[in-house]
Amino acid sequence: ELKVEQNPLFLSMQEGKNYTIYCNYSTTSDRLYWYRQDPGKSLESLFVLLSNGAVKQEGRLMASLDTKARLSTLHITAAVHDLSATYFCAARPDTNAGKSTFGDGTTLTVKP
Amino acid sequence: DTAVSQTPKYLVTQMGNDKSIKCEQNLGHDTMYWYKQDSKKFLKIMFSYNNKELIINETVPNRFSPKSPDKAHLNLHINSLELGDSAVYFCASSQTGGGPQHFGDGTRLSIL
Repeated sequence: ELKVEQNPLFLSMQEGKNYTIYCNYSTTSDRLYWYRQDPGKSLESLFVLLSNGAVKQEGRLMASLDTKARLSTLHITAAVHDLSATYFCAARPDTNAGKSTFGDGTTLTVKP
Repeated sequence: DTAVSQTPKYLVTQMGNDKSIKCEQNLGHDTMYWYKQDSKKFLKIMFSYNNKELIINETVPNRFSPKSPDKAHLNLHINSLELGDSAVYFCASSQTGGGPQHFGDGTRLSIL
């Protein structure tokens, strides 16, 4: 069964700093997703990564995928307060296209 | 023009009652999901339907029964509600082929 581990689970950082959230998954996966959830709100799709070496960027967020290491990263550049949220990664296994397994989420707090 | 809409947004009820949550999507997607998010924000898939056919049925109490009258609708009925059922329930949809899931705003269920 596919397991997805994120770390750290909680991240407090200052505005202007850089940091990386890590997402490891246990079995082969044909795609990796990143979502954002603001407090009390729904989940919003950020990125879909399809292949080894894929990199996608949106503003101060950049996601990458290494399928050989079964690792995806979400890099935050020069954090701003508006990025405070919970970030989830999810992996879809090769063997069950209907089911994505979510990590436990990383709650990011950006302080002035 | 909400993409995935759930009703009700809030549900406060007593133990032992039976309640339903409704979900509709207007994105033309063929796969719909129910997730449970607990107080620690852990997100667990419960059910998934593809074109009205149940394709994912995780280990949840049989008090929970999904029903999909057509591919745009997925409802969740819960019998004999228990305290541990208190959570936020999210409906989501996606297109076969692996695009990201689109989530509804959630139904916050509180059991008294």
